[in-house]
Amino acid sequence: AQSVTQLGSHVSVSEGALVLLRCNYSSSVPPYLFWYVQYPNQGLQLLLKYTSAATLVKGINGFEAEFKKSETSFHLTKPSAHMSDAAEYFCAVRAPMSNFGNEKLTFGTGTRLTIIP
Amino acid sequence: NAGVTQTPKFQVLKTGQSMTLQCAQDMNHEYMSWYRQDPGMGLRLIHYSVGAGITDQGEVPNGYNVSRSTTEDFPLRLLSAAPSQTSVYFCASSYRTVRSPLHFGNGTRLTVT
Repeated sequence: AQSVTQLGSHVSVSEGALVLLRCNYSSSVPPYLFWYVQYPNQGLQLLLKYTSAATLVKGINGFEAEFKKSETSFHLTKPSAHMSDAAEYFCAVRAPMSNFGNEKLTFGTGTRLTIIP
Repeated sequence: NAGVTQTPKFQVLKTGQSMTLQCAQDMNHEYMSWYRQDPGMGLRLIHYSVGAGITDQGEVPNGYNVSRSTTEDFPLRLLSAAPSQTSVYFCASSYRTVRSPLHFGNGTRLTVT
């Protein structure tokens, strides 16, 4: 079975500072990994995805994430935080399995990012 | 381009009432799913479908029914609403490959009193 752990349910950073949101995954087969962002009262939007090509993945709004197989991690970073980055961020894993329903996407519990002016 | 459309946006039910949450997508996605979002618990999969006539249970299926008669539509039925079903419900769809990200609707906020 696959799972995702997001360390830190709340993260606060100052405007202009580095953003680091942590995600560790568990999967018995090579996974596909995603980061989503959710703004208040909205659905989830895809930030970026890892699909076994380059290990450093660039997404929208200046975010990027690095897939590290040895650490089973997929941490999300942004060099300089902006007020508009305040939102909730979800890491998710989708792994192929042999049985019906191998496309299921499993989410972490989310990290709420607050930007301090 | 509408994407994934959910209706209604808000709903209040009394315990024991039934209702259907609607979900439609116009991207010809084979895979459709329903999640519920609760504080501190992330998103949990209720039911999913990989094509018309094919559905299966997710993590938290009890109290919910689904069917998929067309590629476009995937309604979620609450049979007898309970306060524990107070939540925000999201419908999501994708192509049927593990590389494909899910596209989400804007959610339905349900309160059961």
